[in-house]
Amino acid sequence: EAQVTQNPRYLITVTGKKLTVTCSQNMNHEYMSWYRQDPGLGLRQIYYSMNVEVTDKGDVPEGYKVSRKEKRNFPLILESPSPNQTSLYFCASSRDRGDGYTFGSGTRLTVV
Amino acid sequence: GEDVEQSLFLSVREGDSSVINCTYTDSSSTYLYWYKQEPGAGLQLLTYIFSNMDMKQDQRLTVLLNKKDKHLSLRIADTQTGDSAIYFCAESGGAGNNRKLIWGLGTSLGVNP
Repeated sequence: EAQVTQNPRYLITVTGKKLTVTCSQNMNHEYMSWYRQDPGLGLRQIYYSMNVEVTDKGDVPEGYKVSRKEKRNFPLILESPSPNQTSLYFCASSRDRGDGYTFGSGTRLTVV
Repeated sequence: GEDVEQSLFLSVREGDSSVINCTYTDSSSTYLYWYKQEPGAGLQLLTYIFSNMDMKQDQRLTVLLNKKDKHLSLRIADTQTGDSAIYFCAESGGAGNNRKLIWGLGTSLGVNP
């Protein structure tokens, strides 16, 4: 089944403790992206990647890192999480604009 | 800057048609999308329309695009309780190679039996 898999689905952590949210897609898509979803603010892009070793900032990249060492994986790294990064995170991949995006099921992160 | 606006709530009776509206500002958008989000779930692509089209129909879904007014609508025929969800309009913004989607805040559709 074609899908984007994110892990974990839920995560509660403490301020400053490094964490990684994994994202993997099995559709051989070149383009991948991370979004965060917040009430009243909608979905905002954090980072995106055009291909292996090609990443760039989205609209709200502060406090996040990404890597794209393999085509299928695009992890989101929070080196020192803070409470304002409490949010619902989505990973997505795309073949081209006409196909839209395929989204993962989301990761609900709470930073206390 | 780029912006997408939607009304926040819509309530319909089961069996009626639902019409969810969206306006956008970026006239260079090539694709416009409708996504559905059910509680606790991810975002599911429902349908999309290319900017040179006026209408697209897919089973119970009809998308209408008025490019002059930058207005997009999604009509769901014979709305069922299973259609209760948040519906997002999005446009293909993003400069250069960034296939960023610009999102509305979502319309919460409630279906009454």
